[in-house]
Amino acid sequence: EVQLLESGGDLIQPGGSLRLSCEVSGFTFSNYVMTWVRQAPGKGLEWVSSVLGDGSGTYYADSVKGRFVISRGNSDNTLYLQMNNLRAEDTAIYYCARGGTVVRSWFDSWGQGTRVTVSS
Amino acid sequence: QSALTQPASVSGSPGQSITFSCTGNNNDLGTYNLVSWYQQHPGNAPKLIIYGVNKRPSGISDRFSGSKSGTTASLTISGLQVEDEADYYCCSYGGSNTFIFGTGTRVSVL
Repeated sequence: EVQLLESGGDLIQPGGSLRLSCEVSGFTFSNYVMTWVRQAPGKGLEWVSSVLGDGSGTYYADSVKGRFVISRGNSDNTLYLQMNNLRAEDTAIYYCARGGTVVRSWFDSWGQGTRVTVSS
Repeated sequence: QSALTQPASVSGSPGQSITFSCTGNNNDLGTYNLVSWYQQHPGNAPKLIIYGVNKRPSGISDRFSGSKSGTTASLTISGLQVEDEADYYCCSYGGSNTFIFGTGTRVSVL
């Protein structure tokens, strides 16, 4: 069974940093593109970032480019999102999701999300 | 890139069929057949219900179907059931290794 479990969400002040983690099991992690998607309170889904299976390619939404860094540890089946210079508008539930073996795919498994609140 | 446009809400009675749209442009829906749809019940994570425009993952009811014409994708729910009441989001590959989600449609079963 495919499982994804996010952690690391917290209340953080504007300008602060936070690292989210997503531990996965039930599939060969290194074969799949992994993605972070977020959802602000009462709002829709927003694609944040994706990383290739071997970590060689990383892609970002314009809203987070230069502030967030996606990475993965294929030896420990964990996806990460380093979030720097956080803003109030980054407040959201952050979901990790499994993509396909290439970027041009869809998101077939999702974690339950971790909540990030940026506020002073 | 701007979000794909969906109607904010759609409603129907049990047993009816409803169809709602997801509109993009020639940079996303008009170019790529990489449309997916997600169902999200309140407090839960999204769930993939349609991929590749009109394919259903294993375990998804055949009451859900998708289509696309030009820059507009559509999701049809046939034989509407109470448990179909949820938010639905379309998503398209947007080129240059990016994705765009729709604004979301809340489905109500009257």
